[in-house]
Amino acid sequence: GENVEQHPSTLSVQEGDSAVIKCTYSDSASNYFPWYKQELGKRPQLIIDIRSNVGEKKDQRIAVTLNKTAKHFSLHITETQPEDSAVYFCAASITNRDDKIIFGKGTRLHILP
Amino acid sequence: ETGVTQTPRHLVMGMTNKKSLKCEQHLGHNAMYWYKQSAKKPLELMFVYNFKEQTENNSVPSRFSPECPNSSHLFLHLHTLQPEDSALYLCASSSRGRDTEAFFGQGTRLTVV
Repeated sequence: GENVEQHPSTLSVQEGDSAVIKCTYSDSASNYFPWYKQELGKRPQLIIDIRSNVGEKKDQRIAVTLNKTAKHFSLHITETQPEDSAVYFCAASITNRDDKIIFGKGTRLHILP
Repeated sequence: ETGVTQTPRHLVMGMTNKKSLKCEQHLGHNAMYWYKQSAKKPLELMFVYNFKEQTENNSVPSRFSPECPNSSHLFLHLHTLQPEDSALYLCASSSRGRDTEAFFGQGTRLTVV
């Protein structure tokens, strides 16, 4: 079955700097890659996603890249702000098959003042 | 609110008790999931239901028994649990197919004593 690896497990970044979180997946059939943000005491919420027919997607300060050949994808946050502090999860899924969403182990992002 | 409601929010049970967790969604989704969130495995997939049919049982012990009577409701029946089963149990739902964003409930914080 699908296995998603995520690195690093913890990341501290100075406010205003960029943060990068990387994930790899094992099942080449995976075609949907969402990223979720979980703030302390709250539920995970989707912040951005990318499908396998696209190599990059941007939404304001957040961007995701996908390398299908290497089976890895990354989240980039630019101009980080205190409210970016949270746990971020990457995930992989195969739409129109079983739709099970397999998550990485999460990255705890700390934005330092 | 994401449209996915879980009850109860907190549950303390003894190892010999039987209890049930409930999840309800009114988003018109046809896939529902149970995830276990703990310090060791932050978002571990337990069960997936598509159109009320169980499509995934991720090697979960039989002391956890899911039930999906219709596309809007999902239960997790618990019996003879162990202290290591203490965790946050998150329910999620999505539309099978292209728009597979998963919406999470707020979770049930379970403590087994």
